[in-house]
Amino acid sequence: NAGVTQTPKFQVLKTGQSMTLQCAQDMNHEYMSWYRQDPGMGLRLIHYSVGAGITDQGEVPNGYNVSRSTTEDFPLRLLSAAPSQTSVYFCASSSRGVNTEAFFGQGTRLTVV
Amino acid sequence: AQKVTQAQTEISVVEKEDVTLDCVYETRDTTYYLFWYKQPPSGELVFLIRRNSFDEQNEISGRYSWNFQKSTSSFNFTITASQVVDSAVYFCALSEETSGSRLTFGEGTQLTVNP
Repeated sequence: NAGVTQTPKFQVLKTGQSMTLQCAQDMNHEYMSWYRQDPGMGLRLIHYSVGAGITDQGEVPNGYNVSRSTTEDFPLRLLSAAPSQTSVYFCASSSRGVNTEAFFGQGTRLTVV
Repeated sequence: AQKVTQAQTEISVVEKEDVTLDCVYETRDTTYYLFWYKQPPSGELVFLIRRNSFDEQNEISGRYSWNFQKSTSSFNFTITASQVVDSAVYFCALSEETSGSRLTFGEGTQLTVNP
């Protein structure tokens, strides 16, 4: 039972490079989201999706792009990496609803130099 | 807009001490859920508890207990007889009925339990 799988676990990018963080879940969850974790700021929502073909912006969407072509996958794209995007990124999934527990991936530690 | 505040950035205790982690929230919704997550040094996020806005009963699970008070908009977490393995960052989070499954997290509290 894999749950939520994120890849890669670590990544170093040069300023201006692009990359995609992968996220897959095998629990048939409708809701998926991406958060970034920065010291002293908790986790902040970047983008989320309530189902295949539906995405929306969270609190800090600038510089990131997402798509949801299948229920299982929710990749996060950095279009042109900047040092301010150095962070730990978490993907999460849950059943739809205010009371549902979110399951998180292991996280991706991204450094932009 | 919803907001969660964890005013304690870092707490350091000696093993076997009791420790309380504070969480204060703001919301305009009448239906909402509060959560606590643990992030050990290995980095993953571990779900601890969920509490809905209509249930103010305190919850106890082993050495963990949670005190939910709507009157003060607080959802505090107490660890009794702390252990070194409790060392972690603890996050309080809120989801509102109008926001569906979106979680708003507090800043987190780094708890260090020293032997």
